[in-house]
Amino acid sequence: DQQVKQNSPSLSVQEGRISILNCDYTNSMFDYFLWYKKYPAEGPTFLISISSIKDKNEDGRFTVFLNKSAKHLSLHIVPSQPGDSAVYFCAASARGKSTFGDGTTLTVKP
Amino acid sequence: NAGVTQTPKFQVLKTGQSMTLQCAQDMNHEYMSWYRQDPGMGLRLIHYSVGAGITDQGEVPNGYNVSRSTTEDFPLRLLSAAPSQTSVYFCASSYSGGIQETQYFGPGTRLLVL
Repeated sequence: DQQVKQNSPSLSVQEGRISILNCDYTNSMFDYFLWYKKYPAEGPTFLISISSIKDKNEDGRFTVFLNKSAKHLSLHIVPSQPGDSAVYFCAASARGKSTFGDGTTLTVKP
Repeated sequence: NAGVTQTPKFQVLKTGQSMTLQCAQDMNHEYMSWYRQDPGMGLRLIHYSVGAGITDQGEVPNGYNVSRSTTEDFPLRLLSAAPSQTSVYFCASSYSGGIQETQYFGPGTRLLVL
């Protein structure tokens, strides 16, 4: 049973618009949630994170929202840029062990 | 500061052969992990280590061995390669926890088992 799910394999948005990537989890023991970005032939790179005691974290164009009651988090990118086109992985962490979703491929069209 | 380095970048093996994937980090991180990524899937944890001399199994440990004799190095051994182990392997490191849960990944090793 997959503990972290990203139900949208792909998302396409126009440059300048908002991109919203979603992630659901099942394990209440997760205490930290992270988003990673991955370009082809490279390793994932950390983007933004949120502790389970918070409901929002913002860093420039990137904001992560956490709804613990729904076991749902989302990543908002505003405004979206063509350079944001990549695979985005949601990860949930407990005691240093991370579980990853299958990723969402974001394409930002100029 | 090289971060996390992995060698080789690409390897082709025949079924039954053995090999070691190398991983090193120069950030003095306590935690190190090995993941595999198959097409269309996320990263699945193979083995991890919370410090030198301490290792534990992840989600998909079968067919792989690890050891952690130093803080810097965390090699992954395939004792008898199988076609099902064809994948991209990523090594990662992080601090011990809390806000330092953020992992730093290497560039990956692409492994093809024929």
